[in-house]
Amino acid sequence: QSVLTQPPSVSGTPGQRVTISCSGSNSNIGGNTVNWYQQFPGTAPKLLIYSDNLRPSGAPDRFSGSKSGASASLAISGLQSEDEADYYCAAWDDSLIGYVFGGGTKVTVL
Amino acid sequence: EVQLVESGGGLVKPGGSLRLSCAASGFTFTNAWMSWVRQAPGEGLEWVGRIKSKGDGATTNYAAPVKGRITISRDDSKNMLYLQMRSLKVEDTAVYYCTARDMGYWGQGTLVTVSS
Repeated sequence: QSVLTQPPSVSGTPGQRVTISCSGSNSNIGGNTVNWYQQFPGTAPKLLIYSDNLRPSGAPDRFSGSKSGASASLAISGLQSEDEADYYCAAWDDSLIGYVFGGGTKVTVL
Repeated sequence: EVQLVESGGGLVKPGGSLRLSCAASGFTFTNAWMSWVRQAPGEGLEWVGRIKSKGDGATTNYAAPVKGRITISRDDSKNMLYLQMRSLKVEDTAVYYCTARDMGYWGQGTLVTVSS
């Protein structure tokens, strides 16, 4: 049972906009910034969004992050076949004194 | 270019010990807060622990499932991060990733298998 709650899967057709939710509490998302990671099978996760809504160099601008209260979201605009991957949210938790992750969301492009 | 290269993984029996290493390059290691994250086969990501920079006291924090069984240390003279694991359990089987700068950079991971 992950501290942060994500839907197990989301799907969409090419060009569609999809969103992934990440629900937490005041001790994590509500009080700290959120990172989002993309992971392809057999490879290491890669930072996609940091500090709630910032993209590192090289991250496509079709990916965007937002946060409201103790929940965060990752949006993929103009879904592409190469976006099929697992996505994880993460935040520092002040109560647990450690980072916590969401359980991950598998994005499928139909 | 930031590079994090883990090593030291392998097969170990339950109750055994293992030390993982992470060689860092491409950034100022001395100032970086470093973390270990693991991923069990077919499962999600789990934070294991963190060590702050020496300038911030080299304070360590550990996740509850591993607290008391692991030690994270660093050698800034060699740009190396370590994860010493003891009393290993079957459920510690995972790919262990070295990460830097608030988990902004990740290594390729090293597999630890705990099995009799």
